[in-house]
Amino acid sequence: DVKVTQSSRYLVKRTGEKVFLECVQDMDHENMFWYRQDPGLGLRLIYFSYDVKMKEKGDIPEGYSVSREKKERFSLILESASTNQTSMYLCASSSSGDRDNSPLHFGNGTRLTVT
Amino acid sequence: GEDVEQSLFLSVREGDSSVINCTYTDSSSTYLYWYKQEPGAGLQLLTYIFSNMDMKQDQRLTVLLNKKDKHLSLRIADTQTGDSAIYFCATGYSTLTFGKGTMLLVSP
Repeated sequence: DVKVTQSSRYLVKRTGEKVFLECVQDMDHENMFWYRQDPGLGLRLIYFSYDVKMKEKGDIPEGYSVSREKKERFSLILESASTNQTSMYLCASSSSGDRDNSPLHFGNGTRLTVT
Repeated sequence: GEDVEQSLFLSVREGDSSVINCTYTDSSSTYLYWYKQEPGAGLQLLTYIFSNMDMKQDQRLTVLLNKKDKHLSLRIADTQTGDSAIYFCATGYSTLTFGKGTMLLVSP
């Protein structure tokens, strides 16, 4: 079974802090993703990565950056946290093996509150 | 860009069948997916269907695909209280586009 592990289930940070959300997958997947989930807005893609040291902007990258130094780890960085970044953050991974069938496998999410 | 629409809420009684509907705009996806999210958890892949199929059955789950109308549905037979969750449909290639989710509430 694919396991995607997000390091924290709950985080509370102050406005202006630099925040790191960590995600590790154990299935040697090439692709990794960060989404945020908000009531009424569904899932929105922040950033994704198809390979180590590669990153692509998703639909809402503003205020975020990412780091992928190792294949299994994908970090989401909030350079200066703001209250509108209070949300549930979901990490996912997928394989590039079958280009047409690449279901995402999700972690359990990190609920971030910025006060 | 791609758009995926779902009804937001469905309430059923235990033992009834549930049908969750989804419409999408991008017909180029080869696979279409259904995910389930239980409270406080991430999304779990439930099932998927290949785009050249019109039906797939997996135990209590039946997926119907009408490619002409770009309509996807998930039927859950004999719905149980443990099926209460949010259900998402998703389409696309490596970056999936998700609907906003349908909250299914199953009452005893």
